[in-house]
Amino acid sequence: EAGVTQSPTHLIKTRGQQATLRCSPISGHTSVYWYQQALGLGLQFLLWYDEGEERNRGNFPPRFSGRQFPNYSSELNVNALELEDSALYLCASSDWTLANYGYTFGSGTRLTVV
Amino acid sequence: QKEVEQNSGPLSVPEGAIASLNCTYSDRGSQSFFWYRQYSGKSPELIMFIYSNGDKEDGRFTAQLNKASQYVSLLIRDSQPSDSATYLCAVWEEGKSTFGDGTTLTVKP
Repeated sequence: EAGVTQSPTHLIKTRGQQATLRCSPISGHTSVYWYQQALGLGLQFLLWYDEGEERNRGNFPPRFSGRQFPNYSSELNVNALELEDSALYLCASSDWTLANYGYTFGSGTRLTVV
Repeated sequence: QKEVEQNSGPLSVPEGAIASLNCTYSDRGSQSFFWYRQYSGKSPELIMFIYSNGDKEDGRFTAQLNKASQYVSLLIRDSQPSDSATYLCAVWEEGKSTFGDGTTLTVKP
């Protein structure tokens, strides 16, 4: 069974540009979660999508947005990139009914803003 | 006060010893509790979850939950160098998991 896949692995962008990160959940999982892990910091919750809808959002500005497609894959968009957006962005998936049993994470996208 | 707090570490134990990792949380309504292991440069991997008071054992790992004290711990018995990693405590509530900052464990041969 394929795990959670994220692309690209690495992304280098210039300040002010837009970044698009992609995530494919485990087959059968309908929920996708996005987290930001800045260097030396913990995982910060960004967004939760389930069945194509945004269900919950963390304390991030509106320039962090995303969507979930009918096949449950998801996209995270970061507009007007700032240097402090440089971080590892992790996607996780779960079956919503089993989300309280934990996540499976993808390998992440390392975003560097220069 | 942070929602999930962990010992800042780092924690160093000799090979074969018991490593004890601690976590406290602020929301009494929290339902499920997790321990993830994150090796340097890798993504977190779920190693234990617990939702009832008491102990839950899985191989060399034991998770302990005390909801009255809002406290979760992870014990690693017979620690191995391969256990050297950052351990993240997470709490499930309101449709998301909230993570602590992690405790870095080093097991010395």
